[in-house]
Amino acid sequence: GAVVSQHPSWVICKSGTSVKIECRSLDFQATTMFWYRQFPKQSLMLMATSNEGSKATYEQGVEKDKFLINHASLTLSTLTVTSAHPEDSSFYICSAPRARNEQFFGPGTRLTVL
Amino acid sequence: RKEVEQDPGPFNVPEGATVAFNCTYSNSASQSFFWYRQDCRKEPKLLMSVYSSGNEDGRFTAQLNRASQYISLLIRDSKLSDSATYLCVVSPNAGKSTFGDGTTLTVKP
Repeated sequence: GAVVSQHPSWVICKSGTSVKIECRSLDFQATTMFWYRQFPKQSLMLMATSNEGSKATYEQGVEKDKFLINHASLTLSTLTVTSAHPEDSSFYICSAPRARNEQFFGPGTRLTVL
Repeated sequence: RKEVEQDPGPFNVPEGATVAFNCTYSNSASQSFFWYRQDCRKEPKLLMSVYSSGNEDGRFTAQLNRASQYISLLIRDSKLSDSATYLCVVSPNAGKSTFGDGTTLTVKP
C-alpha cells in the first residue's frame, strides 16, 4: 500500500487564488520531505527541501514567497502555491525518504490554473 | 551540461526484444543510483536500485560504472506492460535526487 499520500490529487482553480497541497508519510516519520514539479513531457525538477521544525531550502530559481512550505510535524509537509497563475499549472509530487536508499513518492497533485 | 543525461529515445520495440537504456551523471560525489518507471500521468515508482556490482531482478539488469559515471538498464524479453518512461535517478544522499529527462519505451505486439 501507499506509504506517502498527497491531497488533493487534482485541483482546478482561478488565477490569483492560493492552493494548498498536503504530503503525508503514512507509517514512518520524515524529518525531511522533498517537493518536485513536473511539466508535461519533462522530468521531475526538485523545487525545495522541506525540513521539520525549520525553514525549507529552495532550489535556485524557485520563489520562496510564491511556494510556501510548512513542515509542521514529522508526518506532514504542505506546499502552498500563492496567487497561482496559469504558468503554475503542473504536476506536483512530494517524496519522503524512509531510509538511506528508500525514497517514496506521493501520488502527485495535478494543478490546473485557469 | 545536465547533471543526469539519458538516451533521448523514444524506443519502439517488438514484444520479446531486448532493449538497453544508458545514463551518465556529472556529480562524482553521487552515492545512490536508481531506475524509476513512470507511467503516463502517474508518480514515479522505483524499478530498482543500482549497485556497483551490478544487479538483476528478473528480466531487468542494472549496471553502474563509477569510473565512467555511467548507469545502464537492460530489459530482456520485453512485455507490452513494460511500455513506460524510464527515469535515471542519481542522489548524493538520501532523498534529494536528480532525475534524468527519461526515456520513453513503447513495446508493440
